[in-house]
Amino acid sequence: DGGITQSPKYLFRKEGQNVTLSCEQNLNHDAMYWYRQDPGQGLRLIYYSQIVNDFQKGDIAEGYSVSREKKESFPLTVTSAQKNPTAFYLCASSILAGGWNEQFFGPGTRLTVL
Amino acid sequence: DAKTTQPPSMDCAEGRAANLPCNHSTISGNEYVYWYRQIHSQGPQYIIHGLKNNETNEMASLIITEDRKSSTLILPHATLRDTAVYYCIVPPPGNTPLVFGKGTRLSVIA
Repeated sequence: DGGITQSPKYLFRKEGQNVTLSCEQNLNHDAMYWYRQDPGQGLRLIYYSQIVNDFQKGDIAEGYSVSREKKESFPLTVTSAQKNPTAFYLCASSILAGGWNEQFFGPGTRLTVL
Repeated sequence: DAKTTQPPSMDCAEGRAANLPCNHSTISGNEYVYWYRQIHSQGPQYIIHGLKNNETNEMASLIITEDRKSSTLILPHATLRDTAVYYCIVPPPGNTPLVFGKGTRLSVIA
């Protein structure tokens, strides 16, 4: 099956620890995205990548880092500098960059920092 | 960027048509209107998009007014599984990603 996988579904970490969220796609899409969602809110863009070895900051990049070494993978690291990391994190991909290309979303990772 | 305005919530009886409105009065002539929905604790899912003609697919219909300043997403026979947050989006130009507002929370009631 083609699609986007995110792991794990639920993640718990202690305050002050860095944590990396996994996102893998086998759709052969060039563009990948990370969004954050807080309860009752819309999605906010953290980082996006238009192509391998390239990425750009979104609206709320502070305290996060990404890499795009392979087309299939776009991991997100939540660092200790992120003040309120507890949230629902969604990864997406599209065949090309730009909102006019349908975005496919993964199932999400719910991160809780204790 | 063309902003969109949607009601925060709506109810619909199961089996009836759900009509979800969206205002996008600043939309420009070549900008499309996209609709996504997000079922609780899942990622959003694309539904439909249109420019100026009405569009229909297996999930929904999209009616865009002649002046393109508003549109309505229609779920013709809503089921309980259609309970979700529905996002109306006018994508920014170029290669920038989608911007999601708060959407409309549709509750389908038995």
